Amino acid sequence: AQSVTQPDIHITVSEGASLELRCNYSYGATPYLFWYVQSPGQGLQLLLKYFSGDTLVQGIKGFEAEFKRSQSSFNLRKPSVHWSDAAEYFCAVGNGGGADGLTFGKGTHLIIQP
Amino acid sequence: ETGVTQTPRHLVMGMTNKKSLKCEQHLGHNAMYWYKQSAKKPLELMFVYSLEERVENNSVPSRFSPECPNSSHLFLHLHTLQPEDSALYLCASSHVTDTDTQYFGPGTRLTVL
Repeated sequence: AQSVTQPDIHITVSEGASLELRCNYSYGATPYLFWYVQSPGQGLQLLLKYFSGDTLVQGIKGFEAEFKRSQSSFNLRKPSVHWSDAAEYFCAVGNGGGADGLTFGKGTHLIIQP
Repeated sequence: ETGVTQTPRHLVMGMTNKKSLKCEQHLGHNAMYWYKQSAKKPLELMFVYSLEERVENNSVPSRFSPECPNSSHLFLHLHTLQPEDSALYLCASSHVTDTDTQYFGPGTRLTVL
């Protein structure tokens, strides 16, 4: 069965500093990987996704993520965070097809310090 | 309206009430999903509809009853819920050819008293 681990429950970063959120997955085949963001009181918004090809994926809002098969990781990065980036971030893995849902991690709560 | 909408945004109900959550997608998708989001737990997939047929029911108690009358609308009918059912209920949609890329609504915050 597929699973996702986000080891950091909370992360605090100063505005303007760089960010890296960790995600590790467990999946038997080539995974389909996603990062979502959830602002307070809102649903989930897709930031980026990886299906195949270039292991460095660019997303919206200046985010990127790198797929590392050897480490079973798909970490999310941003070179300079803004106060509006404060939110909950979810990593998810999909099974690449079929009428099935995504498996999500528990999320990382990002706090931005002024 | 664009994207995925959900109504109501907030719902408080007693354990003996019957209520329904509504989801509507304006993206031309043909697969829809219900998820439950509880505090400190990962999102839990509840139901999946593909081309208006239910294809997934992840051991959800019968007090939750989904309905998908067409590819744009999805309902979750609730009856005799328990306090532990209090959570954020999220609807999502996708194309059946790309079920991993899902678009989410804002959710309904449900409180069961």
